[in-house]
Amino acid sequence: NAGVTQTPKFRILKIGQSMTLQCTQDMNHNYMYWYRQDPGMGLKLIYYSVGAGITDKGEVPNGYNVSRSTTEDFPLRLELAAPSQTSVYFCASSWRATNEKLFFGSGTQLSVL
Amino acid sequence: AQSVTQLDSHVSVSEGTPVLLRCNYSSSYSPSLFWYVQHPNKGLQLLLKYTSAATLVKGINGFEAEFKKSETSFHLTKPSAHMSDAAEYFCVVSAKFNFGNEKLTFGTGTRLTIIP
Repeated sequence: NAGVTQTPKFRILKIGQSMTLQCTQDMNHNYMYWYRQDPGMGLKLIYYSVGAGITDKGEVPNGYNVSRSTTEDFPLRLELAAPSQTSVYFCASSWRATNEKLFFGSGTQLSVL
Repeated sequence: AQSVTQLDSHVSVSEGTPVLLRCNYSSSYSPSLFWYVQHPNKGLQLLLKYTSAATLVKGINGFEAEFKKSETSFHLTKPSAHMSDAAEYFCVVSAKFNFGNEKLTFGTGTRLTIIP
C-alpha cells in the first residue's frame, strides 16, 4: 500500500533556484493538498485541488505554483526560492471532501540558503 | 472565522499513566474536529474524528476525545501511556463557510514525551 508518495525527502536550494516537489497517490482520491509546516506552527495550506484540471489557492500561495493534469499527481513548483520558503512540505489527499480523513505523505524537508 | 488552540506545547507523562492533551476551538458554524498524530519524520495520521454524532469519540491505539460544546473543547485522552505514543499531536477544526466550502485549521501541536 503506497498511499501518498512524496519526493525528494530532503533538498537544499540556493536563493533564486527553482524546483518541483513531486506528489503522487494511488488511492484514486479526488482531493489533493499541499501544506507547509514551520517550527512551532500548525500546518498551513498552500494550494489544493478538487480534481484533475482544478486547482485553487490556500492560505499561503505566494511563491508557489501547482498543476493537476492527472488524478494521481499534484506537483508543487517553487520559483525563485527564498529563505522564507525553508520549511517541511506535506502533500495529502482525501476521497471527496476536506472534512474527510486526510492521508499524508512523509514530507519533504527543504532548506533555502 | 474559526481557530484552534492547543493549550500545551509539551506534555510529559510516565509510561502507564493517563494522557491528557487539551484543545479548545472556536467556530461560527457546527465544526468537525480531528486529532492527528505525527511520529518523527513521518506524515500525519488520523487518530479520531468528531462529526456531530456521539460526543465521546473513540480512535485508534486506545485514544479517545470528548466534544464539549459548552466549553468549546475537544481534549484527547488515553488511560495508560505507552512508549510508542511519543509523538506530536495536532488538533484540527473543519467548518463550512460561504456556499459550503470547508476549511481546515490546524493547531500548533503538542509534543508528547513518555518517561520510561
